[in-house]
Amino acid sequence: QSALTQPPSVSGSPGQSITISCTGTSADVGSYTSVSWYQQHPDKAPKLIVFDVTYRPSGVSNRFSGSKSGNTASLTISGLQPEDEADYFCAIHIIDNTVFGGGTKVTVL
Amino acid sequence: EVQLLQSGAEVKKAGESLRISCTGSGFTFGSHYIGWVRQKPGKGLEWMGRIDPTDSYTSYSPSFQGHVTISADRSISTAYLQWSTLKASDTAIYYCAKTGEGTDAFDIWGQGTMVTVSS
Repeated sequence: QSALTQPPSVSGSPGQSITISCTGTSADVGSYTSVSWYQQHPDKAPKLIVFDVTYRPSGVSNRFSGSKSGNTASLTISGLQPEDEADYFCAIHIIDNTVFGGGTKVTVL
Repeated sequence: EVQLLQSGAEVKKAGESLRISCTGSGFTFGSHYIGWVRQKPGKGLEWMGRIDPTDSYTSYSPSFQGHVTISADRSISTAYLQWSTLKASDTAIYYCAKTGEGTDAFDIWGQGTMVTVSS
């Protein structure tokens, strides 16, 4: 199964909204709701911020929201803040397999 | 507090064997899959495989099948990742992570174990 496709970088100014895409195929993203998103700051372990396309774990800011349309899942960060500058990875979990996207570096201008 | 604590950094030579560990606390270890994820320096996340600590059922990414072994000892809430023959290309940070309640997403991650293999 091929890696999911993410844009290498996305940037925005404080207070703006940005969206990161995660594109798969009709066999994975298009058919399953098990898409998750992870935030990783430099030299830190990844942190789960969205699971099952739209759900946020307890304690994660509601500025992070997930969605899906067709073969593409998306993560939207609203009200961009300096601490949102990090790498973001999508993943899809299908039965006994997990595939990550290549990652997107978010820069807060 | 729910956490996964991984063993410390390792420096090995190519051809040597290695086992790193991941110990869970604050949750029922046998109720969640434990997965392993590789991250090479400056690169993305790669799923290696996962284990069900209840019955030690494992599944592997085709990219790692045959090169690593995932195991677990439920009695001490610990999962393992091991290599019988290391390569220089195995140099990376290795994370363990547990699946969440009712989801296959990884809700808690270990701090990572840096493995450095010299040729």
